[in-house]
Amino acid sequence: QVQVVESGGGVVQPGRSLRLSCAASGFTFSSYAMYWVRQAPGKGLEWVAVISYDGNNKYYADTVKGRFTISRDNSKNTLYLQMNSLRAEDTAVYYCARDRVAAAPKYYYYGMDVWGQGTTVTVSS
Amino acid sequence: SYVLTQPPSVSVAPGQTARITCGGNNIGIKSVLWYQQKSGQAPVLVVYDDSDRPSGIPERFSGSNSGNTATLTISRVEAGDEADYYCQVWDSSSDHVVFGGGTKLTVL
Repeated sequence: QVQVVESGGGVVQPGRSLRLSCAASGFTFSSYAMYWVRQAPGKGLEWVAVISYDGNNKYYADTVKGRFTISRDNSKNTLYLQMNSLRAEDTAVYYCARDRVAAAPKYYYYGMDVWGQGTTVTVSS
Repeated sequence: SYVLTQPPSVSVAPGQTARITCGGNNIGIKSVLWYQQKSGQAPVLVVYDDSDRPSGIPERFSGSNSGNTATLTISRVEAGDEADYYCQVWDSSSDHVVFGGGTKLTVL
C-alpha cells in the first residue's frame, strides 16, 4: 500500500545537527514532490520545506531557511531533512508527506495526500 | 506573507451541521485544502481544490471558497468527527505552503 515512514528523530542538544529520513513505498516516488511538516507540542501544523519530484526545486519556511536542507534520493525512494544549528523551538513531531499530484509543475504544489506517522525531535540540553 | 485565519474552536451537537471558516486575503482565487487531525494521529486530507473529496472521505464533508473566506462544512456531525481541522494553500507569491492556525471541533 501507499505509505511513507519517517525515522531519525531523537533528543539532541541545542546547536547540534540531526538528519531525518522518510522511506516511501507503494508509489512511484520519483514522480511526486514531497514535504516536511512539523507540529510542536500542543500547537498547530507548520510547513517546513518542499522539494520537487526531481529534487531541483526546494522551498523553505522562513523559520528554518539557512539551517535545514531538504533532499531526496529517487534511487532509494527516500526523502531527507538535514537539520543544523538546532534550537529549542525546533522541538516537534516531524511529518513527511506526499504531494497530491504526480509530475506537477515545479512552481506549484497541490497539497498533501499521504502522511507518515511522524518522528519526534526534542532539542534540549 | 500570506496569512490564513481560523476560529480556535467550533462546537456542535451530534446530527447538526458544523461550519469551519478559513479567512485569507482574496482566498477565493486560491485552491484550498482541508485536513482533519484526530488526537495523537497524523493529519488526513478531507477536501482539496476547495470542494473535492479524496476517495474514502464521506459525502458529509464539503467545502466552498469565495471572496475572502473558505468554509469546510460537516453535515450530520458524528462523535467521530471530533478533531482539529486545518486549512492550507500554496502561496505562489512567496513560494510557501501556508496553514491556518487550526480549529478544534467539539461534538457536544
